[in-house]
Amino acid sequence: GAVVSQHPSWVICKSGTSVKIECRSLDFQATTMFWYRQFPKQSLMLMATSNEGSKATYEQGVEKDKFLINHASLTLSTLTVTSAHPEDSSFYICSARDASGGSSYNEQFFGPGTRLTVL
Amino acid sequence: EDQVTQSPEALRLQEGESSSLNCSYTVSGLRGLFWYRQDPGKGPEFLFTLYSAGEEKEKERLKATLTKKESFLHITAPKPEDSATYLCAVQPVDSNYQLIWGAGTKLIIKP
Repeated sequence: GAVVSQHPSWVICKSGTSVKIECRSLDFQATTMFWYRQFPKQSLMLMATSNEGSKATYEQGVEKDKFLINHASLTLSTLTVTSAHPEDSSFYICSARDASGGSSYNEQFFGPGTRLTVL
Repeated sequence: EDQVTQSPEALRLQEGESSSLNCSYTVSGLRGLFWYRQDPGKGPEFLFTLYSAGEEKEKERLKATLTKKESFLHITAPKPEDSATYLCAVQPVDSNYQLIWGAGTKLIIKP
């Protein structure tokens, strides 16, 4: 149980293009999803918190117009990196919280991550 | 300010050599403390949630404990496949279920 998938697992794009990353909870409903980025040898950095049916809440310093988040259903959230530049190259990871109210109510379950390289 | 500090930064052990990883935290109110394991190039894998001081949880060779100031992840007779980065995070009671992360401990088990 509590499986989260991400697609694609890696992507290479040219500077100036947009890239969309999907995050799906496969066997549970996720009221809340989180998007992180992680640089080499560093810990996770929260970018935004996404609640189903409402606007995402972005962390300080994260540009909401550059990192568009859509949480359209209880099993799907998407992150679109608009007009990507080389400095956006990173490992992007999503997580989802099981909203069913069971024993795992507070836990976040993570996807496998997406490696973005912007040339 | 809510903060999580993990030590050591890296730990090298021989296979079978037991040890502990430390996670010290300061938080205004603790909803839960979480341990995750992360392998290179992958997302974190959930291990444990601890909610109150004195609580302990076990899974195979791992045991997590919690006090009011810190948590320990004890690893007993580790194997090379236990090599990974172990991440600790706390969830404040006043958060929207967000986590505050430590920097992690990189554990290397040599055969």
